Amino acid sequence: DAKTTQPNSMESNEEEPVHLPCNHSTISGTDYIHWYRQLPSQGPEYVIHGLTSNVNNRMASLAIAEDRKSSTLILHRATLRDAAVYYCILRDTNFGNEKLTFGTGTRLTIIP
Amino acid sequence: NAGVTQTPKFRVLKTGQSMTLLCAQDMNHEYMYWYRQDPGMGLRLIHYSVGEGTTAKGEVPDGYNVSRLKKQNFLLGLESAAPSQTSVYFCASNEAFGEQYFGPGTRLTVT
Repeated sequence: DAKTTQPNSMESNEEEPVHLPCNHSTISGTDYIHWYRQLPSQGPEYVIHGLTSNVNNRMASLAIAEDRKSSTLILHRATLRDAAVYYCILRDTNFGNEKLTFGTGTRLTIIP
Repeated sequence: NAGVTQTPKFRVLKTGQSMTLLCAQDMNHEYMYWYRQDPGMGLRLIHYSVGEGTTAKGEVPDGYNVSRLKKQNFLLGLESAAPSQTSVYFCASNEAFGEQYFGPGTRLTVT
């Protein structure tokens, strides 16, 4: 499976935007970029995913580099509830290959 | 919908004891997974299933067995628990190409 690289930790002030980077230089053409997050003492939850174009949903935005070797998850206005570990994951779209491979993620701390 | 539920939430076992963790989903998903998460680490895949009656090994399958007799249930068994299996266990499910939904986790301690 193609690997991703994320910073171990980041801090951000409450109510400010947060940009979480992810490098995936060995990404293949059939890999989607997925983001999940894990709040304290909970299971992971889906945040957003994309293939080539930038994506927006109610939780976040995903900006994908033109060469697809990196991406950035954007939280537009961080709240204390956004403090979590964020995982950037590459998911192959080949039928039957639904597995997610989790790294150690980025631990995001929100400062009040 | 309850989503993905896990039973039990907590369990303490002595070395050598056996137990079964139950995962249930009410979303009619084909794919189901068992992960473990050790402190400070990401989730690692133990076993998974691509449909009723099928199972496959993940990254760390040793010491565990699974069964998927019904589409909505995925069971994880420990035949002879070891302290190295102390962990938090998460179950997940998804439809084809869909997002994975995770359960709340089972915290297992083996003494």
